[in-house]
Amino acid sequence: QSALTQPASVSGSPGQSITISCTGTTSDVGGYNYVSWYRQHPGKSPQLMIYDVTNRPSGVSNRFSGSKSGNTASLTISGLQTEDEADYYCISYATSGTLWVFGGGTKLTVL
Amino acid sequence: QVQLVQSGTEVQKPGASVKVSCKASGYTFTNYYIHWVRQAPGQGLEWMGIINPSIGGTNYALRFEGRVTLTSDTSTDTVYMQLRSLRSEDTAMYYCARGLMDGKVPAVIPPGYWGQGTLVTVSS
Repeated sequence: QSALTQPASVSGSPGQSITISCTGTTSDVGGYNYVSWYRQHPGKSPQLMIYDVTNRPSGVSNRFSGSKSGNTASLTISGLQTEDEADYYCISYATSGTLWVFGGGTKLTVL
Repeated sequence: QVQLVQSGTEVQKPGASVKVSCKASGYTFTNYYIHWVRQAPGQGLEWMGIINPSIGGTNYALRFEGRVTLTSDTSTDTVYMQLRSLRSEDTAMYYCARGLMDGKVPAVIPPGYWGQGTLVTVSS
């Protein structure tokens, strides 16, 4: 099972909005509404930001939102803050052998 | 509160095995699946497998099939991950993570609560 495709890096200024894409296939992203997004600061464990494409866990800011179109899911962060600078990973439930597959990760830089 | 506390750093030689523990607290252990995820230095996250702690049922990522075993001990609320035939490429941080919520189909619930990670170094 190949990793989902994410851009290696994105950047934005404080207050701006950015979107990170996560592209898979009909066997994962396109086939199920079970896409989640994680934020990981250096040296820390990942933190769940979005699950089931659009849902935010309790305590996660509403600046984070998720969507999906076809085989591509997206994470949008509005009103960028310096604390948003981190690595972001998507994950999708999948068939074809491996139950869950991660994206390669995207480094977000807040300029 | 939900807590997952993992065992400490491991250093192993190539060809050896490692067993990492993940002790759960703050919830009913048997109601939530546990995922295992690893991250090589400077690399991305990689899903390894999942276990139903109640009955010990497992599902492994294809690339680890035959080399990894997940087990659970309901008497101590602990899940274990054993990886055999270690090679240098297995050097990584290994995380356990509990499903975010319980549900009718637990296997589709993503990891929601994470342990602190266990660093495994494979070196001769």
